[in-house]
Amino acid sequence: QSVLTQPPSVSGAPGQRVTISCTGSSSNIGAGYNVHWYQQLPGTAPKLLIFGNNNRPSGVPDRFSGSKSGTSASLAITGLQAEDEADYYCQSYDTSLSGVVLFGGGTKVTVL
Amino acid sequence: EVQLVESGGGLVEAGGSLRLSCAASGFSFRTTYMSWVRQTPGKGLEWVGRIKSKTDGETTDYAAPVKGRFTISRDDSKNTLYLQMNSLKTEDTAVYYCTRVKGGYSYAMDVWGQGTTVTVSS
Repeated sequence: QSVLTQPPSVSGAPGQRVTISCTGSSSNIGAGYNVHWYQQLPGTAPKLLIFGNNNRPSGVPDRFSGSKSGTSASLAITGLQAEDEADYYCQSYDTSLSGVVLFGGGTKVTVL
Repeated sequence: EVQLVESGGGLVEAGGSLRLSCAASGFSFRTTYMSWVRQTPGKGLEWVGRIKSKTDGETTDYAAPVKGRFTISRDDSKNTLYLQMNSLKTEDTAVYYCTRVKGGYSYAMDVWGQGTTVTVSS
């Protein structure tokens, strides 16, 4: 079980806004470590979507945004599109485990 | 074009060894930190480890499940990253991705290879 907790799935109609939460603790997100988000389309490698909590790499649409507060972070997708159907993972650094880098368990976004 | 291409995956018996390679192109490999991430079938992502640049001592760090069994190394003259996996266990079965660490962000991975599959049989 991942120390970064994400909902297994979220869904929304085209054009809607969906959010994915990533809940951590005082040893990772709450300690001030950056949160990064990845998108994995079916059958492909993950792709960096958000880095440093709220920064988008070039080429990522501004429909995607990230935020962080306390021991949690969120990824928001506004104006949901069919091509956004994918798995999304959050990632942070943790000081309590020797594992060092953690990924959330992933969230499947379904476009209805 | 920035690209990472993994190779070396395959079928190996538990207790055996395997070495994965990752050929990098399109960026300054020698100045870049690199990582390996794995993904078990139908499951999520798991960070394996990271190696810093030679300038920063080529320091490595590893996830607890692989520490002492896996070794990450690099050959900057060949723009190639390696993952030596020893004492393999069935739970090491996964797709292994080579990744580039984004500059200025210690563990954000901004370029990923296509992955290579490792299957460990009992």
